[in-house]
Amino acid sequence: GQSLEQPSEVTAVEGAIVQINCTYQTSGFYGLSWYQQHDGGAPTFLSYNALDGLEETGRFSSFLSRSDSYGYLLLQELQMKDSASYFCASFSGNTPLVFGKGTRLSVIA
Amino acid sequence: GAGVSQSPRYKVTKRGQDVTLRCDPISSHATLYWYQQALGQGPEFLTYFNYEAQPDKSGLPSDRFSAERPEGSISTLTIQRTEQRDSAMYRCASSLTSGSIGEQFFGPGTRLTVL
Repeated sequence: GQSLEQPSEVTAVEGAIVQINCTYQTSGFYGLSWYQQHDGGAPTFLSYNALDGLEETGRFSSFLSRSDSYGYLLLQELQMKDSASYFCASFSGNTPLVFGKGTRLSVIA
Repeated sequence: GAGVSQSPRYKVTKRGQDVTLRCDPISSHATLYWYQQALGQGPEFLTYFNYEAQPDKSGLPSDRFSAERPEGSISTLTIQRTEQRDSAMYRCASSLTSGSIGEQFFGPGTRLTVL
């Protein structure tokens, strides 16, 4: 089976940096993805890690440690529009994408 | 199309009726997924297609749920004899191939309410 754990809520100040952690238990783990979802909107793909290390895409970075079954999403220079839910999702070679329960990020002034 | 589209956006039905939801994926995408998403939760996998083949339908909650993609493009999800517990957001997503499962593009969803 597969399961993912991530904090339910995080609050951070505009302009700051925030890290959203995700631990997973995935048999035959292949990769970890991150999605952003604004209230009333659809999930939007942010990043994907199959190998250990950091992937950077603009203000967003994602990290994976396969040996620790752990990853995180790093958001820099936070903006109010970053307030949303963030989901980590894992998959193995022959299983569908399994999503965590999501972390609700609130960016405050 | 430019993005994934779904119709209808909202559907209200009475218990016991059948409903059919439609998904039109990104035109170049071979793989299409159906999810159910409860409020405040992540999407939960229902089934997926590679072109018209349906390799995995393990997430379908019961045999009242079925999906098809007869020509490898548009897909439908049908729920027969709807029950109140079927009320949820149903989302469709697509990816370029099954190998790009980690990078999916989601549609706006269909909000189903069963009275």
